[in-house]
Amino acid sequence: AQSVTQLDSQVPVFEEAPVELRCNYSSSVSVYLFWYVQYPNQGLQLLLKYLSGSTLVESINGFEAEFNKSQTSFHLRKPSVHISDTAEYFCAVSVPSNDYKLSFGAGTTVTVRA
Amino acid sequence: DGGITQSPKYLFRKEGQNVTLSCEQNLNHDAMYWYRQDPGQGLRLIYYSQIVNDFQKGDIAEGYSVSREKKESFPLTVTSAQKNPTAFYLCASSILLQGNNEQFFGPGTRLTVL
Repeated sequence: AQSVTQLDSQVPVFEEAPVELRCNYSSSVSVYLFWYVQYPNQGLQLLLKYLSGSTLVESINGFEAEFNKSQTSFHLRKPSVHISDTAEYFCAVSVPSNDYKLSFGAGTTVTVRA
Repeated sequence: DGGITQSPKYLFRKEGQNVTLSCEQNLNHDAMYWYRQDPGQGLRLIYYSQIVNDFQKGDIAEGYSVSREKKESFPLTVTSAQKNPTAFYLCASSILLQGNNEQFFGPGTRLTVL
């Protein structure tokens, strides 16, 4: 069975500073990887995903994540954050043979301060 | 306007009562899921269904029940057997396509047991 570890539960950051959210997974087979964002009292929204191909994936709002198979990681980065990026971020992994289910990390809360 | 709706947004229940949470989707997705979210624990899968009239237990099914009589609907009942039901409940749906099992989430229902 696969598992997901988000290494930081809370990340405070100043506006316009860079941020990196770390995600590691454990799986002995190929995986699909996702980052979701959750604003307070709302559902989750997909931020970006890696299914195959280029190991660097980007979102429309400036986030990017890089799939590193040798390190089993899928870290999320943004070079310059805004106040509106304050949210909780979840990394998730899916193994093709596991009935399409997603396994989620515990989440990282990003708080952007002016 | 396609999407997933959950109702109600907030729900209060007395101990010993069963309560049913609604989830409807008009995305024509085959699969639907129920998750429970508690602070610091990420999302945990309660039940999922890939086809009408069929569903499977997730990781924390005890004290919950579901039905899937229509493709569009996947209601969750929180029974009195659930020892600690106060939580945020999220419904999701997805297509069943190998290589892309992105899940789409509803806005959530916050259940509080008084």
